[in-house]
Amino acid sequence: GNSVTQMEGPVTLSEEAFLTINCTYTATGYPSLFWYVQYPGEGLQLLLKATKADDKGSNKGFEATYRKETTSFHLEKGSVQVSDSAVYFCALPANAGGTSYGKLTFGQGTILTVHP
Amino acid sequence: DAGVTQSPTHLIKTRGQQVTLRCSPKSGHDTVSWYQQALGQGPQFIFQYYEEEERQRGNFPDRFSGHQFPNYSSELNVNALLLGDSALYLCASRVQASEQFFGPGTRLTVL
Repeated sequence: GNSVTQMEGPVTLSEEAFLTINCTYTATGYPSLFWYVQYPGEGLQLLLKATKADDKGSNKGFEATYRKETTSFHLEKGSVQVSDSAVYFCALPANAGGTSYGKLTFGQGTILTVHP
Repeated sequence: DAGVTQSPTHLIKTRGQQVTLRCSPKSGHDTVSWYQQALGQGPQFIFQYYEEEERQRGNFPDRFSGHQFPNYSSELNVNALLLGDSALYLCASRVQASEQFFGPGTRLTVL
């Protein structure tokens, strides 16, 4: 099945700093790719998605580009805020040829802490 | 419009006991999935229910079972609890070809 590798270790930044969280995937075909965010004490929320190669997903100032050449879907934000502190998960359908409709496989998550 | 709701919020059980977690999907959604999220890990797919039947299953033992009711709500049952079952259990719902919406989860602690 498909799999995803997400950068390890917490990320600590000062407000207005640039953010990159790396995500690489292994998949059959070209599945949809997702970033989810989990705020403290809450469930997961879909942050952005891309459904085909070279697509750029964006939301709330976050962006990620579907790169089939490097099998990557890195999350970026130009200027982070304290309110962005959360856990971020990269995800894709677990099965070859899958879409968002069935089971998803997630990375281990990256904890982002932003200080004023 | 209420989103996905789960109950209880927190639960403490001892090894060997049985537990039932509940999920009400977002209005209009007919498919429910359950995930287990261990501390510091990403969610792991347990199973998915549609039309009151289990449609897909992840790599979880038979101790994990579920049910979907005619109103699309769902239960997750875990028998013979182990310490390793301690986790956040997430429910997600969707309809047809739409994104999944996740609930806030139930935090299960097994002592």
